[in-house]
Amino acid sequence: QSVLTQPPSASGTPGQRVTISCSGSSSNIGSNTVNWYQQLPGTAPKLLIYSNNQRPSGVPDRFSGSKSGTSASLAISGLQSEDEADYYCAAWDDSLNGHYVFGTGTKVTVL
Amino acid sequence: QVQLVQSGAEVKKPGSSVKVSCKASGGTFSSYAISWVRQAPGQGLEWMGGIIPIFGTANYAQKFQGRVTITADESTSTAYMELSSLRSEDTAVYYCARNGFKYSSSSGWFDPWGQGTLVTVSS
Repeated sequence: QSVLTQPPSASGTPGQRVTISCSGSSSNIGSNTVNWYQQLPGTAPKLLIYSNNQRPSGVPDRFSGSKSGTSASLAISGLQSEDEADYYCAAWDDSLNGHYVFGTGTKVTVL
Repeated sequence: QVQLVQSGAEVKKPGSSVKVSCKASGGTFSSYAISWVRQAPGQGLEWMGGIIPIFGTANYAQKFQGRVTITADESTSTAYMELSSLRSEDTAVYYCARNGFKYSSSSGWFDPWGQGTLVTVSS
């Protein structure tokens, strides 16, 4: 089961700013960095943000990440139609000999 | 740039096993961990385990301990995930992904990902 909690859905009109929250605990987000993945319909997940707030080459600067304590958030500014996708936060968890945990996922809809 | 290409879709009977492959090309294979993640239909992502090919030791999610075996063949730059005692709940798309840090299977991020392999378990 997912141990990182995200809102099931978020939406906005083109050009708006959308924020997705990710809530964890001291053994995962509280101790390790957070990554975000974007999954477009019918495709494999793609790394969007790593190490809390770093963007891989090719990811637009409209996407930004932050972390505070045991929570993290992803912001999409200047929302575009191609941003309609599922978004997952993730982090390593130090319990149970170390394992990777994903968030519950957030479906972003562009109205 | 590293690219991961997975084997094709499988249909299996309950109680049987499946072995999915993940071949890397275009970059270093042995020193970066390969992890396996699955996604049941309409559901979220679930980490199963990973292996650093140069060390050959895998670590597994507790949920799959005893039922999953992850291996790697450095000579062909290919990682494998074998899941046994299949049940209908194992129907999912299985992805491989490369960890972002060298020599670590318990830190970093996953990039790139394979295209996914659909495993259907049905009698």
